[in-house]
Amino acid sequence: EDQVTQSPEALRLQEGESSSLNCSYTVSGLRGLFWYRQDPGKGPEFLFTLYSAGEEKEKERLKATLTKKESFLHITAPKPEDSATYLCAVRYSGAGSYQLTFGKGTKLSVIP
Amino acid sequence: GAVVSQHPSWVICKSGTSVKIECRSLDFQATTMFWYRQFPKQSLMLMATSNEGSKATYEQGVEKDKFLINHASLTLSTLTVTSAHPEDSSFYICSASKGGLVYNEQFFGPGTRLTVL
Repeated sequence: EDQVTQSPEALRLQEGESSSLNCSYTVSGLRGLFWYRQDPGKGPEFLFTLYSAGEEKEKERLKATLTKKESFLHITAPKPEDSATYLCAVRYSGAGSYQLTFGKGTKLSVIP
Repeated sequence: GAVVSQHPSWVICKSGTSVKIECRSLDFQATTMFWYRQFPKQSLMLMATSNEGSKATYEQGVEKDKFLINHASLTLSTLTVTSAHPEDSSFYICSASKGGLVYNEQFFGPGTRLTVL
């Protein structure tokens, strides 16, 4: 069973059409949930870290929220340049102190 | 900022040869660096954790004699793929943690595409 599950696998949006990406996790002892953006052939770019349920963080058109079992990445009025794969990762007790466990990502395509 | 670079960005080699990939933190000191591997349409899989001045910690299933990791300074870690074979072809990405706090986020390099013929 995957410890981090992201949905949907792929999402196509029209420019300006807001939506949310989901990241659910089954680990216990969460020590941080991380969102990254990855463009094709590039390394992940850090977006947000969330540590506790109820926490929210925003950056431009992106807003990340966290509950006890999942996180959402809300994209408001997306633009074509927001097209990328969005990765979610968790750090938790029981794994190595620094270890990140990644989901498979959601590939977002924003159509002009 | 927190910039991590990798060199080379891509490499093609013959089966049986060794390839070295460098990972550098450009504007901060990284006591811990990480090496990941990513296959097409798959997520990042942690291979090993590299600590400056000590031996790397490898994840289960990763051959330490095949993937040699050296973290000689606070800004440089290297991954050497020894006797590479076609199944080693992948996208290798390093990351680095700023400072020594457990909860620090990781900053990733741009990745190295390895193709073994």
